[in-house]
Amino acid sequence: QKEVEQNSGPLSVPEGAIASLNCTYSDRGSQSFFWYRQYSGKSPELIMSIYSNGDKEDGRFTAQLNKASQYVSLLIRDSQPSDSATYLCAWFSGGYNKLIFGAGTRLAVHP
Amino acid sequence: KAGVTQTPRYLIKTRGQQVTLSCSPISGHRSVSWYQQTPGQGLQFLFEYFSETQRNKGNFPGRFSGRQFSNSRSEMNVSTLELGDSALYLCASRPNREDQPQHFGDGTRLSIL
Repeated sequence: QKEVEQNSGPLSVPEGAIASLNCTYSDRGSQSFFWYRQYSGKSPELIMSIYSNGDKEDGRFTAQLNKASQYVSLLIRDSQPSDSATYLCAWFSGGYNKLIFGAGTRLAVHP
Repeated sequence: KAGVTQTPRYLIKTRGQQVTLSCSPISGHRSVSWYQQTPGQGLQFLFEYFSETQRNKGNFPGRFSGRQFSNSRSEMNVSTLELGDSALYLCASRPNREDQPQHFGDGTRLSIL
């Protein structure tokens, strides 16, 4: 079983729509989850952290965490072409004492 | 606070040579991780250093090595370069707390001719 499952995409959404990115993880005991955005040719940048079950909102971004289902998602409202990037989910593995990254989902927002 | 600094930003080498990449973490961060990323691929974990000790290691050949100094700065070395080593090499640092994310440097783009 992979440690993190992410749909590689590409996920194509029209401008103004909601983009939904999903990630499942393998460690039921994990407490810390992160979403990173990576533009082509650039390094990943942190956009959201979430630690508790439920939703966490930051501007147009909402992270959702369901620990029972081992599932974390990122919603991007009012998607813009500038949101086109690869989105990486990550979680902290206590067993390995390090962050585990998913392979990333490529998002394309078209005008 | 200054971010993670990687040098050099770009490097061109030929097959068989060796290369050393440098990473200065955010002040106060003692964990430094290295990743390799090739076009269209995800982050491939190389290794992590904490307090000058390698704490985790990915599935890369022994040609890839690293070290960390007492000031938490880290270097990564690749010997006997191969064409397939052409990639973006990313360094990331974080505090030694599980609730804290990693912060990435801009990376070193290595091209092998």
